[in-house]
Amino acid sequence: QVQLVQSGAEVKKPGASVKVSCKTSGYAFTSFYMHWVRQAPGQGLEWMGIITTSGGDTRYAEKFQDRVTMTRDTSTSTVYMELSRLTSDDSAVYYCARARQVATSTPYGYWGQGTLITVSS
Amino acid sequence: DIQMTQSPSTLSASVGDRVTITCRASQSITNSLAWYQQTPGRAPKLLIYKASILESGVPSRFSGSGSGTEFTLTISSLQPDDFATYYCQQYNKYSWMFGQGTKVEIK
Repeated sequence: QVQLVQSGAEVKKPGASVKVSCKTSGYAFTSFYMHWVRQAPGQGLEWMGIITTSGGDTRYAEKFQDRVTMTRDTSTSTVYMELSRLTSDDSAVYYCARARQVATSTPYGYWGQGTLITVSS
Repeated sequence: DIQMTQSPSTLSASVGDRVTITCRASQSITNSLAWYQQTPGRAPKLLIYKASILESGVPSRFSGSGSGTEFTLTISSLQPDDFATYYCQQYNKYSWMFGQGTKVEIK
């Protein structure tokens, strides 16, 4: 079965960076795009960006353009999301979410369990 | 970017009620619209895609309709498991924006 298992919760200081991993299994890793979505406490869902797992191409939401980097490791079927210059506004649960089907314009059929990132001095 | 606006933001209803949530796009997204359900502490779950297609395993009391800029999610008879927050998402034109969510509460 399809599984997306994310790394554990972290506490970071303002100005630091964080790198969250999403290890996948149960399907052909390079066939499906992966997205990252975050959710601040009590708030809605916010799309951060997408990575093509085959070629590693990325597209980021404008809000995160200069602070986020998404990468993938095809040897371990893992995707990563690194966010730099953290502020308290970045405290949120971060999710990886897999495209439902082999296409660009598709919703998410599978989600990771979420990773809580807390930014605090 | 295409903006998605959901209404209402909160909805109070009773078990057995028919519930409708609306989602409007700032420009046409044809039928590239999905609905998700999220309960506290859990990742969202896909309910409907392509505006009206029910995801496998989702109860038939959920239905979706619309195209272009206006869409609706309907729950025909609200069940206890349905008290949750619902999000629409457009996935057209290399953008995957969400609506702000609608919380369905117990009346």
